[in-house]
Amino acid sequence: EAQVTQNPRYLITVTGKKLTVTCSQNMNHEYMSWYRQDPGLGLRQIYYSMNVEVTDKGDVPEGYKVSRKEKRNFPLILESPSPNQTSLYFCASSSASGARVEQDTQYFGPGTRLTVL
Amino acid sequence: GQQLNQSPQSMFIQEGEDVSMNCTSSSIFNTWLWYKQDPGEGPVLLIALYKAGELTSNGRLTAQFGITRKDSFLNISASIPSDVGIYFCAGQLWAGGTSYGKLTFGQGTILTVHP
Repeated sequence: EAQVTQNPRYLITVTGKKLTVTCSQNMNHEYMSWYRQDPGLGLRQIYYSMNVEVTDKGDVPEGYKVSRKEKRNFPLILESPSPNQTSLYFCASSSASGARVEQDTQYFGPGTRLTVL
Repeated sequence: GQQLNQSPQSMFIQEGEDVSMNCTSSSIFNTWLWYKQDPGEGPVLLIALYKAGELTSNGRLTAQFGITRKDSFLNISASIPSDVGIYFCAGQLWAGGTSYGKLTFGQGTILTVHP
């Protein structure tokens, strides 16, 4: 089954304690992204990756890091989490080839709800 | 970065009613997308639009790509309870044959359907 998985699904942590949210896709997609979803703001892109070892900042990258050492994995790292990073996080992937609709279809993971106290 | 303004923010309707929501942008996109998010899940693509003026349907859903390339709307006809969820518009810019997977989302419209 084609899917994007995220772990953990729920996390409560304290300010300053480094954490990593993992994301993995089994569709051999080149493109992967991280978004955060906040009420009234929709989804905002944090970072995206065009392929292995190629990443770029999205609209709200401050306080986050990513890496893309393997095609299937795209972890999101919070080196020193702060309460304003409390949010719902989504990982997504899409293909770089095929018809345009295939390239435009992003597949989203189930989300990770993060609370930073 | 680019901003999308989506309205209304929320809607409460009776089953069977039609629904309309729209999205406007401060700048041009060459792809408009509409996603639906069910409670506890990630967004799922409903409709993709590629040409200014294009009108596309997917069952009871109809979406249009505005002529100015700065707006889009989504209509849902004869709503049913399973239409409940958050609807998002999103825009993409293609350059050099790719969008690099970079999406800009609207704020979302929360739809509640009363049986």
